[in-house]
Amino acid sequence: NAGVTQTPKFQVLKTGQSMTLQCAQDMNHEYMSWYRQDPGMGLRLIHYSVGAGITDQGEVPNGYNVSRSTTEDFPLRLLSAAPSQTSVYFCASSRTGSWALNTEAFFGQGTRLTVV
Amino acid sequence: GIQVEQSPPDLILQEGANSTLRCNFSDSVNNLQWFHQNPWGQLINLFYIPSGTKQNGRLSATTVATERYSLLYISSSQTTDSGVYFCAGPISSGSARQLTFGSGTQLTVLP
Repeated sequence: NAGVTQTPKFQVLKTGQSMTLQCAQDMNHEYMSWYRQDPGMGLRLIHYSVGAGITDQGEVPNGYNVSRSTTEDFPLRLLSAAPSQTSVYFCASSRTGSWALNTEAFFGQGTRLTVV
Repeated sequence: GIQVEQSPPDLILQEGANSTLRCNFSDSVNNLQWFHQNPWGQLINLFYIPSGTKQNGRLSATTVATERYSLLYISSSQTTDSGVYFCAGPISSGSARQLTFGSGTQLTVLP
């Protein structure tokens, strides 16, 4: 059982380039999300999805797009990379987004992105 | 949204010592997790503990939801326990789909 798989693990981009961070889960989880982790800022939510075809913005969505065409995949797109997007990105999934139910979150291994 | 405060921010221990990490919430929570971020950056699930007490080997956690805090106990610490420990809980009003993290406790266990 692979859990949550993120690719790539490391990436260097030039300012203005675009790229997609991939996230896949094999647990049939409804809820998926993307966080970024910056020194002194903890983890902040970028975008989330409560199911295929449904996405919403989190705390820091600017500069990022997401889509959820399948239950398994939740890619994060950087449209025009900026140095401020240098960060470590984590994808997470849980069975459901309803906090009234058992919703333990599982995280991928992270993608370390540097924008120069 | 809720605020999550962790203490202490930094902790240095000698191998074999015990420690207690604390997580306070500004609002009630019905879902709380503890994570360990190892030196390689991986986020490892430690406990899913909305209330009560759980134990896993040398680690245990207690959440008192009515008093808005959770504690993580590490006994007989080992150098491999080093890293950052995060607690996280949901925003309990409005959008109920965001997991809010504390700023973490940086633990260093010395041999």
